[in-house]
Amino acid sequence: DAGITQSPRHKVTETGTPVTLRCHQTENHRYMYWYRQDPGHGLRLIHYSYGVKDTDKGEVSDGYSVSRSKTEDFLLTLESATSSQTSVYFCAISVYPQETQYFGPGTRLLVL
Amino acid sequence: ILNVEQSPQSLHVQEGDSTNFTCSFPSSNFYALHWYRWETAKSPEALFVMTLNGDEKKKGRISATLNTKEGYSYLYIKGSQPEDSATYLCAFHEGGKLIFGQGTELSVKP
Repeated sequence: DAGITQSPRHKVTETGTPVTLRCHQTENHRYMYWYRQDPGHGLRLIHYSYGVKDTDKGEVSDGYSVSRSKTEDFLLTLESATSSQTSVYFCAISVYPQETQYFGPGTRLLVL
Repeated sequence: ILNVEQSPQSLHVQEGDSTNFTCSFPSSNFYALHWYRWETAKSPEALFVMTLNGDEKKKGRISATLNTKEGYSYLYIKGSQPEDSATYLCAFHEGGKLIFGQGTELSVKP
């Protein structure tokens, strides 16, 4: 298994509160990604990073921000959680963008 | 936003049946097409990365073909087993990102 961990694995929060999810890798891969899983949509890219402090938006970035201050950590922040952000969030890493992405175990987030 | 379409959305087969699904993607500016297998409550796992027109890849009973000129890829499973039950995702590489299809959910009954 690729060395990817996500924390927390489960979280319940209330609408309007900030939430930060962490992705940690031990593979020293340059590229890191945050996806959300929604029924009927498969996986949708939220944000991605192509190096320390280098990030870009994905398909569904509204309401989310990211930071990458170290190669191994990629943080996803929901500034003010809404019920529409209830989902399972997956982090992924790759050596190059065109190559295989390896996924973390996922974080299940419920916003009440 | 590019469109990556998978069909069918779901498939129910009997153990031993062979099956195939389709992934359609834009035929212009092709770079790579990925296939992933995603079991319920687990993370997606890579099956294949395909880059050349006419590519054929095989992993056990699972194989895939690629036609970049017409913009489609087929995934085949020979002699389906209950453990093949999963969602199969394809993803098109575009601008440093993967654009995923919505997946084909396969259920194999013993």
